[in-house]
Amino acid sequence: GAVVSQHPSWVICKSGTSVKIECRSLDFQATTMFWYRQFPKQSLMLMATSNEGSKATYEQGVEKDKFLINHASLTLSTLTVTSAHPEDSSFYICSATQDRSYGYTFGSGTRLTVV
Amino acid sequence: GQQLNQSPQSMFIQEGEDVSMNCTSSSIFNTWLWYKQDPGEGPVLLIALYKAGELTSNGRLTAQFGITRKDSFLNISASIPSDVGIYFCAGGPYSGAGSYQLTFGKGTKLSVIP
Repeated sequence: GAVVSQHPSWVICKSGTSVKIECRSLDFQATTMFWYRQFPKQSLMLMATSNEGSKATYEQGVEKDKFLINHASLTLSTLTVTSAHPEDSSFYICSATQDRSYGYTFGSGTRLTVV
Repeated sequence: GQQLNQSPQSMFIQEGEDVSMNCTSSSIFNTWLWYKQDPGEGPVLLIALYKAGELTSNGRLTAQFGITRKDSFLNISASIPSDVGIYFCAGGPYSGAGSYQLTFGKGTKLSVIP
Protein backbone atom coordinates (compact mmCIF):
# COMPACT_ATOMS: atom_id res chain seq x y z
CA GLY A 1 0.00 0.00 0.00
CA ALA A 2 0.87 3.68 -0.19
CA VAL A 3 3.45 4.71 2.37
CA VAL A 4 4.41 8.21 3.43
CA SER A 5 7.53 8.73 5.48
CA GLN A 6 7.91 11.85 7.60
CA HIS A 7 11.17 12.87 9.20
CA PRO A 8 12.10 13.68 11.89
CA SER A 9 9.56 12.21 14.29
CA TRP A 10 10.37 14.79 16.89
CA VAL A 11 12.68 17.76 17.15
CA ILE A 12 13.63 20.25 19.82
CA CYS A 13 15.13 23.52 18.70
CA LYS A 14 16.09 26.84 20.16
CA SER A 15 13.97 29.89 19.61
CA GLY A 16 15.09 31.81 16.52
CA THR A 17 16.44 28.83 14.63
CA SER A 18 14.89 27.11 11.60
CA VAL A 19 13.70 23.54 11.36
CA LYS A 20 13.09 21.48 8.23
CA ILE A 21 10.58 18.63 8.11
CA GLU A 22 10.57 16.16 5.24
CA CYS A 23 7.65 14.25 3.79
CA ARG A 24 8.35 11.48 1.29
CA SER A 25 6.02 9.22 -0.63
CA LEU A 26 7.90 5.93 -0.77
CA ASP A 27 5.99 3.90 -3.31
CA PHE A 28 3.92 6.34 -5.32
CA GLN A 29 4.20 9.69 -6.99
CA ALA A 30 2.52 12.37 -4.95
CA THR A 31 1.51 15.23 -7.16
CA THR A 32 -0.25 16.86 -4.24
CA MET A 33 0.91 17.03 -0.64
CA PHE A 34 -0.80 18.67 2.29
CA TRP A 35 0.69 20.04 5.50
CA TYR A 36 -1.36 20.06 8.68
CA ARG A 37 -0.82 21.35 12.15
CA GLN A 38 -2.41 19.75 15.19
CA PHE A 39 -2.52 21.14 18.69
CA PRO A 40 -3.09 18.83 21.66
CA LYS A 41 -6.58 17.38 21.79
CA GLN A 42 -7.58 19.20 18.63
CA SER A 43 -8.26 18.26 15.06
CA LEU A 44 -5.99 18.65 12.08
CA MET A 45 -5.80 22.14 10.65
CA LEU A 46 -4.72 22.44 7.04
CA MET A 47 -1.81 24.82 6.64
CA ALA A 48 -1.04 24.55 2.96
CA THR A 49 -1.43 22.51 -0.19
CA SER A 50 1.58 21.92 -2.37
CA ASN A 51 1.67 20.67 -5.91
CA GLU A 52 4.86 19.40 -7.47
CA GLY A 53 6.74 22.10 -9.29
CA SER A 54 4.55 24.99 -8.23
CA LYS A 55 4.20 27.33 -5.29
CA ALA A 56 2.23 26.14 -2.31
CA THR A 57 -1.22 27.46 -1.58
CA TYR A 58 -1.49 28.61 2.01
CA GLU A 59 -4.62 28.69 4.10
CA GLN A 60 -5.81 31.97 5.50
CA GLY A 61 -3.83 33.01 8.53
CA VAL A 62 -0.78 30.88 7.74
CA GLU A 63 2.36 32.95 7.19
CA LYS A 64 4.00 31.77 4.01
CA ASP A 65 7.28 33.46 4.88
CA LYS A 66 7.42 31.63 8.16
CA PHE A 67 6.35 28.21 6.94
CA LEU A 68 8.30 27.61 3.75
CA ILE A 69 7.08 24.72 1.65
CA ASN A 70 9.01 23.17 -1.19
CA HIS A 71 7.64 20.37 -3.38
CA ALA A 72 10.52 19.95 -5.75
CA SER A 73 9.87 16.37 -6.79
CA LEU A 74 6.99 13.93 -7.05
CA THR A 75 8.14 12.13 -3.93
CA LEU A 76 9.36 14.86 -1.61
CA SER A 77 7.90 17.91 0.05
CA THR A 78 9.57 19.88 2.82
CA LEU A 79 8.21 22.26 5.42
CA THR A 80 10.70 24.68 6.96
CA VAL A 81 9.68 26.56 10.07
CA THR A 82 11.82 29.69 9.99
CA SER A 83 12.81 31.69 13.05
CA ALA A 84 10.88 29.33 15.25
CA HIS A 85 9.21 30.57 18.41
CA PRO A 86 7.69 28.64 21.31
CA GLU A 87 4.19 29.23 19.92
CA ASP A 88 5.22 27.25 16.83
CA SER A 89 5.53 24.17 19.00
CA SER A 90 3.01 21.70 17.66
CA PHE A 91 2.48 18.40 15.89
CA TYR A 92 2.98 18.76 12.14
CA ILE A 93 1.60 16.12 9.79
CA CYS A 94 1.88 15.74 6.05
CA SER A 95 -0.31 13.77 3.69
CA ALA A 96 0.12 12.86 0.07
CA THR A 97 -2.15 11.86 -2.76
CA GLN A 98 -2.01 11.19 -6.46
CA ASP A 99 -4.12 13.14 -8.87
CA ARG A 100 -7.67 11.91 -9.36
CA SER A 101 -7.32 9.56 -6.46
CA TYR A 102 -8.64 9.90 -2.97
CA GLY A 103 -5.88 7.72 -1.59
CA TYR A 104 -4.79 10.18 1.07
CA THR A 105 -1.94 8.75 3.06
CA PHE A 106 -0.61 10.49 6.14
CA GLY A 107 2.88 10.62 7.50
CA SER A 108 3.52 9.69 11.12
CA GLY A 109 3.90 13.32 12.14
CA THR A 110 6.65 15.49 13.60
CA ARG A 111 6.51 16.78 17.14
CA LEU A 112 8.22 20.18 17.19
CA THR A 113 9.18 21.76 20.49
CA VAL A 114 10.73 25.21 20.45
CA VAL A 115 12.51 26.19 23.63
CA GLY B 1 -15.63 27.77 5.33
CA GLN B 2 -16.97 24.29 5.51
CA GLN B 3 -17.31 22.75 8.93
CA LEU B 4 -17.93 19.25 10.13
CA ASN B 5 -19.75 18.53 13.35
CA GLN B 6 -18.50 15.28 14.82
CA SER B 7 -20.12 13.65 17.82
CA PRO B 8 -19.72 12.49 20.41
CA GLN B 9 -16.59 14.35 21.45
CA SER B 10 -15.54 11.47 23.67
CA MET B 11 -16.94 8.21 24.91
CA PHE B 12 -16.14 5.53 27.45
CA ILE B 13 -17.41 2.04 26.75
CA GLN B 14 -17.00 -1.46 28.10
CA GLU B 15 -15.02 -3.95 26.09
CA GLY B 16 -17.38 -5.87 23.83
CA GLU B 17 -19.85 -3.06 23.39
CA ASP B 18 -20.71 -1.50 20.08
CA VAL B 19 -19.77 2.10 19.26
CA SER B 20 -21.37 4.64 17.00
CA MET B 21 -20.16 8.08 16.01
CA ASN B 22 -21.24 10.47 13.29
CA CYS B 23 -20.42 13.58 11.37
CA THR B 24 -22.74 16.14 9.89
CA SER B 25 -22.12 19.07 7.65
CA SER B 26 -23.98 22.05 6.31
CA SER B 27 -22.23 21.48 3.00
CA ILE B 28 -22.38 18.61 0.57
CA PHE B 29 -19.35 16.37 0.30
CA ASN B 30 -18.60 13.89 -2.44
CA THR B 31 -16.29 11.78 -0.33
CA TRP B 32 -16.33 10.80 3.32
CA LEU B 33 -13.32 9.30 5.02
CA TRP B 34 -12.86 7.90 8.50
CA TYR B 35 -9.45 7.90 10.17
CA LYS B 36 -8.04 6.68 13.45
CA GLN B 37 -5.18 8.47 15.14
CA ASP B 38 -3.07 7.00 17.93
CA PRO B 39 -1.13 9.35 20.23
CA GLY B 40 1.94 10.79 18.54
CA GLU B 41 1.07 9.24 15.20
CA GLY B 42 -0.47 10.39 11.97
CA PRO B 43 -4.06 9.42 11.03
CA VAL B 44 -4.59 6.03 9.48
CA LEU B 45 -7.41 5.52 6.98
CA LEU B 46 -10.12 3.14 8.14
CA ILE B 47 -12.84 3.45 5.55
CA ALA B 48 -13.39 5.57 2.44
CA LEU B 49 -16.87 6.27 1.03
CA TYR B 50 -17.41 7.63 -2.44
CA LYS B 51 -21.13 7.34 -3.19
CA ALA B 52 -24.20 8.66 -1.43
CA GLY B 53 -25.91 5.82 0.39
CA GLU B 54 -22.82 3.64 0.28
CA LEU B 55 -22.38 1.26 3.20
CA THR B 56 -18.89 -0.16 3.60
CA SER B 57 -17.38 -2.53 6.12
CA ASN B 58 -13.81 -3.15 7.18
CA GLY B 59 -13.73 -5.95 9.70
CA ARG B 60 -15.64 -4.80 12.77
CA LEU B 61 -16.01 -1.31 11.33
CA THR B 62 -18.95 -0.17 9.24
CA ALA B 63 -19.46 3.27 7.77
CA GLN B 64 -22.17 4.84 5.68
CA PHE B 65 -22.29 7.83 3.38
CA GLY B 66 -25.56 9.65 4.00
CA ILE B 67 -28.08 10.02 1.22
CA THR B 68 -28.08 13.79 1.58
CA ARG B 69 -24.25 13.80 1.26
CA LYS B 70 -24.15 15.90 4.40
CA ASP B 71 -23.52 13.17 6.94
CA SER B 72 -21.76 9.93 7.65
CA PHE B 73 -21.55 7.50 10.54
CA LEU B 74 -19.01 4.98 11.76
CA ASN B 75 -19.92 1.94 13.81
CA ILE B 76 -17.49 -0.32 15.64
CA SER B 77 -18.86 -3.64 16.78
CA ALA B 78 -17.61 -5.70 19.73
CA SER B 79 -15.02 -3.16 20.80
CA ILE B 80 -11.61 -4.30 22.02
CA PRO B 81 -8.90 -2.42 23.96
CA SER B 82 -6.88 -1.66 20.83
CA ASP B 83 -9.80 0.36 19.46
CA VAL B 84 -8.75 3.11 21.85
CA GLY B 85 -7.78 6.28 20.02
CA ILE B 86 -9.18 9.35 18.35
CA TYR B 87 -11.42 8.87 15.35
CA PHE B 88 -11.76 11.61 12.77
CA CYS B 89 -14.19 12.01 9.95
CA ALA B 90 -13.11 13.94 6.89
CA GLY B 91 -15.07 15.22 3.96
CA GLY B 92 -13.68 15.89 0.52
CA PRO B 93 -15.08 17.84 -2.36
CA TYR B 94 -14.67 16.77 -5.91
CA SER B 95 -13.19 19.46 -8.01
CA GLY B 96 -11.88 17.67 -11.04
CA ALA B 97 -8.22 18.28 -11.55
CA GLY B 98 -8.05 20.87 -8.83
CA SER B 99 -7.64 20.71 -5.12
CA TYR B 100 -8.43 17.61 -3.08
CA GLN B 101 -8.50 19.29 0.27
CA LEU B 102 -10.09 17.49 3.16
CA THR B 103 -12.12 19.05 5.93
CA PHE B 104 -11.75 17.27 9.25
CA GLY B 105 -14.17 16.84 12.10
CA LYS B 106 -12.96 17.61 15.62
CA GLY B 107 -12.57 13.97 16.50
CA THR B 108 -14.12 11.42 18.83
CA LYS B 109 -11.90 10.14 21.61
CA LEU B 110 -12.73 6.53 22.35
CA SER B 111 -11.79 4.84 25.60
CA VAL B 112 -12.44 1.13 26.10
CA ILE B 113 -12.69 -0.25 29.61
CA PRO B 114 -11.47 -3.85 29.79
